[in-house]
Amino acid sequence: LAKTTQPISMDSYEGQEVNITCSHNNIATNDYITWYQQFPSQGPRFIIQGYKTKVTNEVASLFIPADRKSSTLSLPRVSLSDTAVYYCLVGDIVGRGSTLGRLYFGRGTQLTVWP
Amino acid sequence: ETGVTQTPRHLVMGMTNKKSLKCEQHLGHNAMYWYKQSAKKPLELMFVYNFKEQTENNSVPSRFSPECPNSSHLFLHLHTLQPEDSALYLCASSQDPQIRGQAAGEKLFFGSGTQLSVL
Repeated sequence: LAKTTQPISMDSYEGQEVNITCSHNNIATNDYITWYQQFPSQGPRFIIQGYKTKVTNEVASLFIPADRKSSTLSLPRVSLSDTAVYYCLVGDIVGRGSTLGRLYFGRGTQLTVWP
Repeated sequence: ETGVTQTPRHLVMGMTNKKSLKCEQHLGHNAMYWYKQSAKKPLELMFVYNFKEQTENNSVPSRFSPECPNSSHLFLHLHTLQPEDSALYLCASSQDPQIRGQAAGEKLFFGSGTQLSVL
């Protein structure tokens, strides 16, 4: 599994755009990049997933450069409720045997949004 | 509401007790998982079930015993636990993608977890 590196913590203020970058230098050809969000005492929640270039949904955008060795999760105009831990996961999620479960969550990035 | 329901939400048990955690998913998924999350530690995968068959046991002690009677229900039976087993136990499900090209957007759906305290 590709190892990921992301900042341990980040701080922001309400209304600002937040960009969290994840490094995954040994990403493999078949690997996808997935981001999850977790609030205290709850299970992680899927945010966004991509393979290359840019992906956008109603919650966030994911930017992946051509070499795919890093990715950036962009949260537009954060609010207090976006305070959570954000996980970057990289892995080949296709195949038999429930490969999704083998994605390594790591410690994530604790984002704190201040008023 | 993620479609994955875990009960109980909180559980306190002694080291000699036997208890069970329950997970139910209403999403029609074919894979279910148990994770353990200790304070300030990464999520640890414990067990994986795919179409009711256990496909992974991540070196979990035998005092944790999973059961998957059908693709919608998953149990974790607990007996003679230790205080260090205190943690948040999370259940998840997914529609296991098996064909490349259809994987985009595949995701794990987690329940809210059971906060377990072993005294």
